[in-house]
Amino acid sequence: KQEVTQIPAALSVPEGENLVLNCSFTDSAIYNLQWFRQDPGKGLTSLLLIQSSQREQTSGRLNASLDKSSGRSTLYIAASQPGDSATYLCAVRYYTGGFKTIFGAGTRLFVKA
Amino acid sequence: GAGVSQSPSNKVTEKGKDVELRCDPISGHTALYWYRQSLGQGLEFLIYFQGNSAPDKSGLPSDRFSAERTGGSVSTLTIQRTQQEDSAVYLCASSLRTSGRPLGYNEQFFGPGTRLTVL
Repeated sequence: KQEVTQIPAALSVPEGENLVLNCSFTDSAIYNLQWFRQDPGKGLTSLLLIQSSQREQTSGRLNASLDKSSGRSTLYIAASQPGDSATYLCAVRYYTGGFKTIFGAGTRLFVKA
Repeated sequence: GAGVSQSPSNKVTEKGKDVELRCDPISGHTALYWYRQSLGQGLEFLIYFQGNSAPDKSGLPSDRFSAERTGGSVSTLTIQRTQQEDSAVYLCASSLRTSGRPLGYNEQFFGPGTRLTVL
């Protein structure tokens, strides 16, 4: 069964701290993996997309890595800010005759000023 | 340019009624996806459209759910005989089919969602 798990479920850190969010998936035959943030009452914002052939992607203070062999992706946030407070979702996409996307339950991040 | 838009933003309906949710994808995006997020749950894939190909309906939870995409653009998700467990935020996303790139390669851009409440 294809499952996506995100740890921790919630995280509270002081402003300025570097942090890592984890995403693990049971089926390593992924097509690609995408990280999103979701702000309360709002839709999803795409952060980074990693293709199965890639090891990492960077955007500003964000860096996402992918290790298919171990079934893991990490989202690294440098110098966290209160504006980073949101729920971070990991979405893993598979292709088996058709596309299927499985989302993790998310990590709720709170950055304290 | 404009992003993905969805309407209505909120919908309250009585159990047993039918509802229609609308999604306007980003212009030029050939792929369109529907998801739902129930309270306290993760996102759940529902259906995927790509151009004129047959849609991937593997995520639809029951035959009360159906979706159409007219003219390769606007999509409507219909839920018939709504039940209380259908209450959720329904999210639509679109992505661009880049020439020479395989399906599903590109980033998905999400709309703000429709919050459906079934009383």
